[in-house]
Amino acid sequence: QQQVKQSPQSLIVQKGGISIINCAYENTAFDYFPWYQQFPGKGPALLIAIRPDVSEKKEGRFTISFNKSAKQFSLHIMDSQPGDSATYFCAATTTGNQFYFGTGTSLTVIP
Amino acid sequence: EAQVTQNPRYLITVTGKKLTVTCSQNMNHEYMSWYRQDPGLGLRQIYYSMNVEVTDKGDVPEGYKVSRKEKRNFPLILESPSPNQTSLYFCASTKTRSSPLHFGNGTRLTVT
Repeated sequence: QQQVKQSPQSLIVQKGGISIINCAYENTAFDYFPWYQQFPGKGPALLIAIRPDVSEKKEGRFTISFNKSAKQFSLHIMDSQPGDSATYFCAATTTGNQFYFGTGTSLTVIP
Repeated sequence: EAQVTQNPRYLITVTGKKLTVTCSQNMNHEYMSWYRQDPGLGLRQIYYSMNVEVTDKGDVPEGYKVSRKEKRNFPLILESPSPNQTSLYFCASTKTRSSPLHFGNGTRLTVT
């Protein structure tokens, strides 16, 4: 059973557009929600993270929106660039120290 | 340079032949973990370790073993590999669970 559900599986966006990736969860014990970015041939790397006591976090062109009541969170990439083309994973963790990742979204930004 | 080093990068083996994938980190992290990445399934945690001699099962531990005898090393052992363990494996470490996970570059394992 997938603890964190991620959509869409793939996304194609024009350069300069907004990329939006959504994730949903059921376990209310999750208390830390990171997003990871992965380029081909590399391991994932932390992009941005949020805790459930905050509804939004912004770092440069990347923003996480968090809706605690709906148990959903999303990544918004503003002014998307070809260099943003990668696979993105949402994740969640609890005090039990287990990490649960979404199934990933392959983003392609067309020049 | 702070890094997580996995070896080998590629491994082809046959069913039932024991193998070990090594993982080492130079950041003095207490938390280390192993994941497998499969198309359509994302990353799934196999085992994790909070400190030396402390290991716990993740989501998909069946068919795998780990050990944590030293803080820097966390090898993944497949005692009798099967074709369904063909996958891309990642080791990761972090200071705390709410700090960035530092991933290695992966080990692509094929079991025939």
